[in-house]
Amino acid sequence: DAKTTQPPSMDCAEGRAANLPCNHSTISGNEYVYWYRQIHSQGPQYIIHGLKNNETNEMASLIITEDRKSSTLILPHATLRDTAVYYCIVREGGNQFYFGTGTSLTVIP
Amino acid sequence: GAVVSQHPSRVICKSGTSVKIECRSLDFQATTMFWYRQFPKQSLMLMATSNEGSKATYEQGVEKDKFLINHASLTLSTLTVTSAHPEDSSFYICSARVRASNYGYTFGSGTRLTVV
Repeated sequence: DAKTTQPPSMDCAEGRAANLPCNHSTISGNEYVYWYRQIHSQGPQYIIHGLKNNETNEMASLIITEDRKSSTLILPHATLRDTAVYYCIVREGGNQFYFGTGTSLTVIP
Repeated sequence: GAVVSQHPSRVICKSGTSVKIECRSLDFQATTMFWYRQFPKQSLMLMATSNEGSKATYEQGVEKDKFLINHASLTLSTLTVTSAHPEDSSFYICSARVRASNYGYTFGSGTRLTVV
């Protein structure tokens, strides 16, 4: 079962930062936080993942709170192509991914 | 990077027939692959875990005799929907774990199955 809670939908103005929150209050010490996104009728795309420290790559930044009970995915300069459903998943290494309901992000021109 | 190819991307079949969907890891070996199903406006639901050389593990509520999974090599897993019915119409997605990697899984582009 999904162990995360995300808002069902969010809007963001094009060019602005999109901050997508995720609550994972029952996360265990060995579980990583993963973010994927799914553009309509395509397979999910990996964005970023982390364990304890904040992470940044060419797509996004991941901010994990010190108690690890929540995290925020940041898309620094949202474009129209970032419109998608974003999934936050917690998982212990090697185990299956169980998807929650995700956040539908709409980037507005 | 790791690429998973899924074929076909779309398929329409008649009720009562069987349909096979292929999932291939193109540039890596995958001992474990996963099959998901997604109904319109819903999230992905894990159906089964496919292990190379052994039987698949099905999630609760998924009929193993209806959704046959074969993972005969390190680069290919197949899902066969047997005796398909209109309620089996869905978006089927596979994913694979790159061996010795903690970078999550790579997903295929999905197969849209329509049973008429």
